[in-house]
Amino acid sequence: QQQVKQSPQSLIVQKGGISIINCAYENTAFDYFPWYQQFPGKGPALLIAIRPDVSEKKEGRFTISFNKSAKQFSLHIMDSQPGDSATYFCAARFNNDMRFGAGTRLTVKP
Amino acid sequence: NAGVTQTPKFRVLKTGQSMTLLCAQDMNHEYMYWYRQDPGMGLRLIHYSVGEGTTAKGEVPDGYNVSRLKKQNFLLGLESAAPSQTSVYFCASSPRGRSGEQFFGPGTRLTVL
Repeated sequence: QQQVKQSPQSLIVQKGGISIINCAYENTAFDYFPWYQQFPGKGPALLIAIRPDVSEKKEGRFTISFNKSAKQFSLHIMDSQPGDSATYFCAARFNNDMRFGAGTRLTVKP
Repeated sequence: NAGVTQTPKFRVLKTGQSMTLLCAQDMNHEYMYWYRQDPGMGLRLIHYSVGEGTTAKGEVPDGYNVSRLKKQNFLLGLESAAPSQTSVYFCASSPRGRSGEQFFGPGTRLTVL
């Protein structure tokens, strides 16, 4: 049973558009929610992360929105660029146990 | 700094063979992790270590063993490989603390025939 559910599986966005990826979690003990970006043949790299006491965090074109009561969080990529084409994973961590979503393959068309 | 490195990059095994994957980090991180990545399932934690000489089970530990004899190295062993262990394996490390970012290695693609 996957503790972190991610949608959509794949996403195609035009250059300059907004990409939105959603995640939902079950375990209320999770206290750290990162998003990772992975390019083909590479390891995941941390993009942005949030703690549950904050409802939104923005870093450049990337924003996490967090809804603690609904146990949901999402990644918004503003002004999406072809270089953003990658697979994105949400995750949730409690102590040293990190649970990942299944991933979203984002394609940004020029 | 090389960050997190993994050896080997690729490996093909026959069912029943054994092998060891090596992870090394030069960031003086306390914590190290082994994950496997399978299509449609994201990354799943196999084992982790919070310090030299300590290891703990993650979400999918069966069929794997680990050792952390030196702070900078974390070894993942498969004693008797099975086709279900065909996967891409990632090692990661992080500093101690609640906000410790995990830094991932480039991965090892393992195929078990």
